[in-house]
Amino acid sequence: SYVLTQPPSVSVAPGKTAGITCGGNNIGSKSVHWYQQKPGQAPVVVIYYDSDRPSGIPERFSGSNSGNTATLSISRVEAGDEADYYCQVWDSSSDHPGVFGGGTKLTVL
Amino acid sequence: QVQLQESGPGLVKPSETLSLTCIVSGGSINGYYWSWIRQPPGKGLEWIGYVYYSGSTNYNPSLKSRVTISVDTSKNQLSLKLNSVTAADTAVYYCARQESSWSTNWFDPWGQGTLVTVSS
Repeated sequence: SYVLTQPPSVSVAPGKTAGITCGGNNIGSKSVHWYQQKPGQAPVVVIYYDSDRPSGIPERFSGSNSGNTATLSISRVEAGDEADYYCQVWDSSSDHPGVFGGGTKLTVL
Repeated sequence: QVQLQESGPGLVKPSETLSLTCIVSGGSINGYYWSWIRQPPGKGLEWIGYVYYSGSTNYNPSLKSRVTISVDTSKNQLSLKLNSVTAADTAVYYCARQESSWSTNWFDPWGQGTLVTVSS
């Protein structure tokens, strides 16, 4: 099945830009979705279809996807952005279509 | 807006069957795919499988021999059964609606999740 690789942790100072990567073989040919999960809560989609934001998600959240890496960028990071972030693809050609990355813990210093 | 609520026993004995229900409110179950996803304590997300409102299913190959997902459109709910459970099945179990576009799917919204512990 398709494998997505994320760094376990990323740290960023408040007000700076955080970048969380998601690696996969030719991931640029797939659509990548990103979820934010705060402690004790269910995941919430923050980016879908590589770079689209659901209503209610701040413009500070953006996404890109090319080659073997997709990236979730969070600009002007706030303390409230501290959470786990997961990337996800749907590998429709596989018998295991629903695939998540291992998750990245974003720490706001 | 659509809300999902999981329910079921919080404790299941090893070798027995885990059974959960997800009630969908604020919208119809018709026309959508619905997934179950789980998260062991302190670990990442694992897709278990989906059911279409028509009843067709697709399961994670690693769980396929033990899992059944079904839908009851008259009650606007879906169900998960996982048999022969072990401690490795201890996790928070989420149900989620699948949004589809072109050849991709993502999960939105999610239920709040329910913790199931496998222990004697």
